[in-house]
Amino acid sequence: LAKTTQPISMDSYEGQEVNITCSHNNIATNDYITWYQQFPSQGPRFIIQGYKTKVTNEVASLFIPADRKSSTLSLPRVSLSDTAVYYCLVEGFQKLVFGTGTRLLVSP
Amino acid sequence: GAGVSQSPRYKVAKRGQDVALRCDPISGHVSLFWYQQALGQGPEFLTYFQNEAQLDKSGLPSDRFFAERPEGSVSTLKIQRTQQEDSAVYLCASSLIRTKGTEAFFGQGTRLTVV
Repeated sequence: LAKTTQPISMDSYEGQEVNITCSHNNIATNDYITWYQQFPSQGPRFIIQGYKTKVTNEVASLFIPADRKSSTLSLPRVSLSDTAVYYCLVEGFQKLVFGTGTRLLVSP
Repeated sequence: GAGVSQSPRYKVAKRGQDVALRCDPISGHVSLFWYQQALGQGPEFLTYFQNEAQLDKSGLPSDRFFAERPEGSVSTLKIQRTQQEDSAVYLCASSLIRTKGTEAFFGQGTRLTVV
């Protein structure tokens, strides 16, 4: 399964846009890229998923370049409640493989 | 229920004790996963079921760990002769069907502390 690399932590302020980049150099042709969010004492929660180009939903956008060796999760206008750990996954057929994630801290 | 339910939420076990952790997936979900999450780490895959069939148990750390889903709905993760290194949060997730591109829904987890 493709391994992912993402920053250990990021800091931001309320109202700013946050971009978290993940690298997955050996992604397979038919793998999807998925992002999960996890708050303390809760299970991970699905945010967004994509295969190529750009995907947008009500909470985030996901940008995937043509070579698909990286992806960027974009959170527009973050709030304090967006403080969490964000995981980038390259999705194999059966099991989701989590890395260590990016710990995002949003300050006032 | 509306989501994946796990019980108990917290479990303290004495070293050497056997424990059983329960997962109630979302009704109708075919796929069920168990993960182990140590403090400050990402979830680590333990095992995967499709209906009652355990298709992948490659992540179970030792033969003290055993999972079952006899009727294809509720699942139980059993840990025999618990050790301190088993202390972690155990997460269960389910999805409608396990293909690429399907969302997995996680429960809140069971925090196991072995003393």
